[in-house]
Amino acid sequence: DVKVTQSSRYLVKRTGEKVFLECVQDMDHENMFWYRQDPGLGLRLIYFSYDVKMKEKGDIPEGYSVSREKKERFSLILESASTNQTSMYLCASSRGLAGGEDTQYFGPGTRLTVL
Amino acid sequence: AQTVTQSQPEMSVQEAETVTLSCTYDTSESDYYLFWYKQPPSRQMILVIRQEAYKQQNATENRFSVNFQKAAKSFSLKISDSQLGDAAMYFCAYGLYSGGGADGLTFGKGTHLIIQP
Repeated sequence: DVKVTQSSRYLVKRTGEKVFLECVQDMDHENMFWYRQDPGLGLRLIYFSYDVKMKEKGDIPEGYSVSREKKERFSLILESASTNQTSMYLCASSRGLAGGEDTQYFGPGTRLTVL
Repeated sequence: AQTVTQSQPEMSVQEAETVTLSCTYDTSESDYYLFWYKQPPSRQMILVIRQEAYKQQNATENRFSVNFQKAAKSFSLKISDSQLGDAAMYFCAYGLYSGGGADGLTFGKGTHLIIQP
């Protein structure tokens, strides 16, 4: 079974803090994704990566950056957290043969609260 | 840009009955994939079923089946013999076939399914 893990289930940070959300997958997947989930809005794509050190902006990249130094790990970075970044963050990975035909497997999510 | 619409924010069904969740999407592409994901209260998003747009045959997985109408851009999920464990948020998602690259999925806003015992 594919396993995608996220470093924290719940996180509380202060406005202006630098925040790191970590995601690790154990199936040698090429592609990794970060989504944000808000009630009534569904999931929205923040960033994705199709290879080590490669990244692409998604639909809502503003205020976020990412890092992928190793194939299995994909980090989401909030350089200066703001209250409007309070949300559920979901990481996903997919095998990488081609885009949409790959099923994405999701982690359990991190509930981030910015005070 | 692709959009996915789930017009039912919440649905309720009696245990053992059948329920259908609606999803429509908008795209100008011909090669794409459609998914239904389930997110129980524990939050782990789980794939329920997927459909390739080039296949006319509707996908089925045990009690879950889809009605894929490509011309109408409709992709509904039917759950037969509903069970208490089916209670969850259900998300419809669209994925573009990008031929070697990667692409994120476009999700609908979700349908909250309640199972009445």
